[in-house]
Amino acid sequence: DMKVTQMPRYLIKRMGENVLLECGQDMSHETMYWYRQDPGLGLQLIYISYDVDSNSEGDIPKGYRVSRKKREHFSLILDSAKTNQTSVYFCASSLGQGAGNTLYFGEGSRLIVV
Amino acid sequence: QEKVQQSPESLIVPEGAMSSLNCTFSNSASQSIWWYQQHPGKGPEALISIFSNGNKKEGRLTVYLNRASLHVSLHIRDSQPSDSAVYLCAVGDSNYQLIWGSGTKLIIKP
Repeated sequence: DMKVTQMPRYLIKRMGENVLLECGQDMSHETMYWYRQDPGLGLQLIYISYDVDSNSEGDIPKGYRVSRKKREHFSLILDSAKTNQTSVYFCASSLGQGAGNTLYFGEGSRLIVV
Repeated sequence: QEKVQQSPESLIVPEGAMSSLNCTFSNSASQSIWWYQQHPGKGPEALISIFSNGNKKEGRLTVYLNRASLHVSLHIRDSQPSDSAVYLCAVGDSNYQLIWGSGTKLIIKP
């Protein structure tokens, strides 16, 4: 079954707390992504990972970091969360690199920072 | 950087009619163009992609790409209530990554 799983699905945190969002995929895809989606804006790329320990910044990496120690698992970490990081976060994976590849998305993690 | 604009923001279509969604982009050399469908509370799901100028048909979906006018459109024939969703246009940029539009909300009225 081709699936991307995100945990947790919903999260409320206080400003300044640390946040860990986790993502797993069962397709052995090399490339994984973290996006955020805000009303009225397109999906914005936070980080992209090309394989284990091979991560690159996307368009909006400030305030975020990632970890990929196993091919099937990709984490997004917010150190000292801010209210403007309230958003829906999507993890995705693709077989290869580049825009010609189909992206498979998880169902999203809704984060509220108060 | 590549810019992607979608229109209209929302669209109400009677069941059985044709739904037409539009997307404009800023770089005629953009590599690939995708349409994704997103239902409420779910992640986007790939529908159809096009790489070459012209049109591509898959089932009830037809995509038209005109690189000269920097325009791509998605047409859904015989629209069904289950087609009600947000449709996202995504365009490959010079770094081979996707730049996303903000979406068109499609409502199919029974």
